[in-house]
Amino acid sequence: SQTIHQWPATLVQPVGSPLSLECTVEGTSNPNLYWYRQAAGRGLQLLFYSVGIGQISSEVPQNLSASRPQDRQFILSSKKLLLSDSGFYLCAWSLQGFYEQYFGPGTRLTVT
Amino acid sequence: GQQVMQIPQYQHVQEGEDFTTYCNSSTTLSNIQWYKQRPGGHPVFLIQLVKSGEVKKQKRLTFQFGEAKKNSSLHITATQTTDVGTYFCAGPSNFGNEKLTFGTGTRLTIIP
Repeated sequence: SQTIHQWPATLVQPVGSPLSLECTVEGTSNPNLYWYRQAAGRGLQLLFYSVGIGQISSEVPQNLSASRPQDRQFILSSKKLLLSDSGFYLCAWSLQGFYEQYFGPGTRLTVT
Repeated sequence: GQQVMQIPQYQHVQEGEDFTTYCNSSTTLSNIQWYKQRPGGHPVFLIQLVKSGEVKKQKRLTFQFGEAKKNSSLHITATQTTDVGTYFCAGPSNFGNEKLTFGTGTRLTIIP
């Protein structure tokens, strides 16, 4: 069966510090991978989408970047965090050709 | 761009009462999905509807896809405390890839 891991679960970072969040998927090959951000009590905003290694689509202009160095690894980064980067970051995967998405447990980021 | 709206935004019901959330898309959808997010948790895929007018049931949950494939509903019969959470609908955002546009969500709280 497939599983998706995200770490860390929670993170408190000062403004201006760098960020690296990691997501890995097990039990499947060549998945679509997604990064979402969810503000408190709000909906899901798609940040990045990847169909394969090194292939990243950015959905909104922002202070963040994403990379996919391996087939089942997806990394969200920032060089300098802003207060507005606070939120709940969710990684998700889907099979190629299918729409159902499966989410990781998420990372709660607080920028102070 | 495509918009997916849900109403109501919040719903408080007495335990045992029924609950319905409605989802409306600005564009015709090839399919629609529903997800549930428990408080503090991550979205979990519930179901996908594909056919015009399709109705699917999962125990006390009934999902319906509109005839025009632009709207959908989720009805819960005799709510229980385990139904607490936010329910999101989601539809494909562009033809040819597997990105989703998530609805605004309906947060359900249960009064015991």
